[in-house]
Amino acid sequence: DAGVIQSPRHEVTEMGQEVTLRCKPISGHNSLFWYRQTMMRGLELLIYFNNNVPIDDSGMPEDRFSAKMPNASFSTLKIQPSEPRDSAVYFCASSFGGTTSSGANVLTFGAGSRLTVL
Amino acid sequence: KQEVTQIPAALSVPEGENLVLNCSFTDSAIYNLQWFRQDPGKGLTSLLLIQSSQREQTSGRLNASLDKSSGRSTLYIAASQPGDSATYLCAVRVHQAGTALIFGKGTTLSVSS
Repeated sequence: DAGVIQSPRHEVTEMGQEVTLRCKPISGHNSLFWYRQTMMRGLELLIYFNNNVPIDDSGMPEDRFSAKMPNASFSTLKIQPSEPRDSAVYFCASSFGGTTSSGANVLTFGAGSRLTVL
Repeated sequence: KQEVTQIPAALSVPEGENLVLNCSFTDSAIYNLQWFRQDPGKGLTSLLLIQSSQREQTSGRLNASLDKSSGRSTLYIAASQPGDSATYLCAVRVHQAGTALIFGKGTTLSVSS
């Protein structure tokens, strides 16, 4: 498996523009997580999905942020309009549940999308 | 609300030294705990996962322990090497499988040759 795939790897945009980050989880994983990492705040959970259904979006900072998971192999995180304080690295991660399978509940991260909002 | 703390924030050691990284969490009702490694500009790589019923896990030169009652975990690195230089993050999963991980801010390790 190619692992968790995120795109774009780098995005530079101007304040007010719409940004869409994409994620393809590992095939067979039923949980998908979006995290944001900054030097000041570390890794923060934004939202996560189980079986394509959003479970907890309490970490989404504002209404400007939205996330979707239309199917088991694709998710998007959208920021509209973007602001300079949204500059961060956004990580997508996936895992599969279970209690006995090897690798169950191990969170696997993508390489991240580095967003810079000018 | 679960909070995860890692001390120290940074650590520098000479090659060959054995070292311990610390992680503490405020709510002992965790489902599991996972240690990750992050290289500069890269994503996170899972190192070890300890289920709440386990006391420790080992992988090569790494050994992670878990003491739920005291809200602590340690990551022991034996015979450190320059290639071990990275940021190490601890994360706890609360409640049941499928819930999110709560991360500490990490310990940045530098091993000099």
